Amino acid sequence: EAQVTQNPRYLITVTGKKLTVTCSQNMNHEYMSWYRQDPGLGLRQIYYSMNVEVTDKGDVPEGYKVSRKEKRNFPLILESPSPNQTSLYFCASSLSGTPNTGELFFGEGSRLTVL
Amino acid sequence: GQSLEQPSEVTAVEGAIVQINCTYQTSGFYGLSWYQQHDGGAPTFLSYNALDGLEETGRFSSFLSRSDSYGYLLLQELQMKDSASYFCAVREGDQAGTALIFGKGTTLSVSS
Repeated sequence: EAQVTQNPRYLITVTGKKLTVTCSQNMNHEYMSWYRQDPGLGLRQIYYSMNVEVTDKGDVPEGYKVSRKEKRNFPLILESPSPNQTSLYFCASSLSGTPNTGELFFGEGSRLTVL
Repeated sequence: GQSLEQPSEVTAVEGAIVQINCTYQTSGFYGLSWYQQHDGGAPTFLSYNALDGLEETGRFSSFLSRSDSYGYLLLQELQMKDSASYFCAVREGDQAGTALIFGKGTTLSVSS
């Protein structure tokens, strides 16, 4: 089954404790991206990757890191989480990142709480 | 950068037709997408318009007017299960790299 898989789905952590949210897709997609969703703010892009070893900042990259060492994986790293990073996070992928690509496939989301 | 405007809330009754508008400002336009998200779930792709006109997929249709920087999602024969948030989205960037930017979403409530 074609899917984007995120882990963990739920996490409660404390300020400053490094964490990684993993994302994996099995569709051989070139483009992957991370979004955070907060009430009233919609989906805001954190980072995206056009292909292996190619990453770029989205609208809200501060406090996050990403890596794209393999095509299927795109982990989101919070080196020193803070309470303002409490949010619902979505990983997404598409066949390519070229401008005329419409469809983005989303993972089920990871709800992160930073105390 | 891009900006997208869509209404925050829309209400309707079962069987009705509802239109969710989206206006955008962009330095480079590559097409307008629509996504549906049920409460607590993942966004799912509904439609993509790269050219002017109407695209129909079952009960849902999407329209684009590039000259007016405007599009809409039309939902017909509304059902309770259509209660969800709907997001319009545009691509920003070029062939070297693009970001998909979303509007803040429209919450549709369908009542019986």
